[in-house]
Amino acid sequence: EIVLTQSPSTLSLSPGERATLSCRASQTVNSNYVAWYRQKPGQAPSLLIYGAYNRATGIPDRFSGTGSGTDFTLTISRLEPEDFAVYYCQLYGSSPLYIFGPGTKLETK
Amino acid sequence: EEQLRESGGGLVEPGGSLRLSCAASGFTFSGYSMNWVRQAPGKGLEWVSVIGSSGSRIYYADSVKGRFTISRDNAKNLLYLQMKSLRAEDTGIYYCARERKVTPAADYWGQGTLVTVSS
Repeated sequence: EIVLTQSPSTLSLSPGERATLSCRASQTVNSNYVAWYRQKPGQAPSLLIYGAYNRATGIPDRFSGTGSGTDFTLTISRLEPEDFAVYYCQLYGSSPLYIFGPGTKLETK
Repeated sequence: EEQLRESGGGLVEPGGSLRLSCAASGFTFSGYSMNWVRQAPGKGLEWVSVIGSSGSRIYYADSVKGRFTISRDNAKNLLYLQMKSLRAEDTGIYYCARERKVTPAADYWGQGTLVTVSS
């Protein structure tokens, strides 16, 4: 079974700063099946990135996804107040069908 | 506007049953696979089950296999999750989520319904 690891578990930054979140798979995966979600406090998750680097509908270009093989990165170029949330990476097509990483909490410094 | 709205959550004793519903609107429900994803209190996301657009493709997480049944009614734009033999560890918020067609990911989510399994 593939395991997703996210680092750091908590990231403390200020608005306007750049955030770099990492997601690592325990074996090589198809980048077409890697996605990122943001979950604001008290809300449902929302899709940010699919296929490793494609922004979902309505997602601003300050969000970007990169990576291949086992290492994937979500970068937020300039943090806005609404970006302080928990971020999950996700892999499709393994067993179980969808696997989520444990999450990175992005908090205000 | 695409919308999903879950209902049916509540408090149930261990060993009990519950049926969740998810009402879809704003898109052609019959054209999309649908998922259930849950989140235990203060924890991360856990995928539960998926059903294909016509109902022929169904998968479950090992943790719910044999106890939960996913189904859909395309005529009514409704997704269901029948849950039986509930355990304390099934407690959490249950979200329905639409699966993108080409590159799989959950692109629209409901606000969730809370299931609490406790005596």
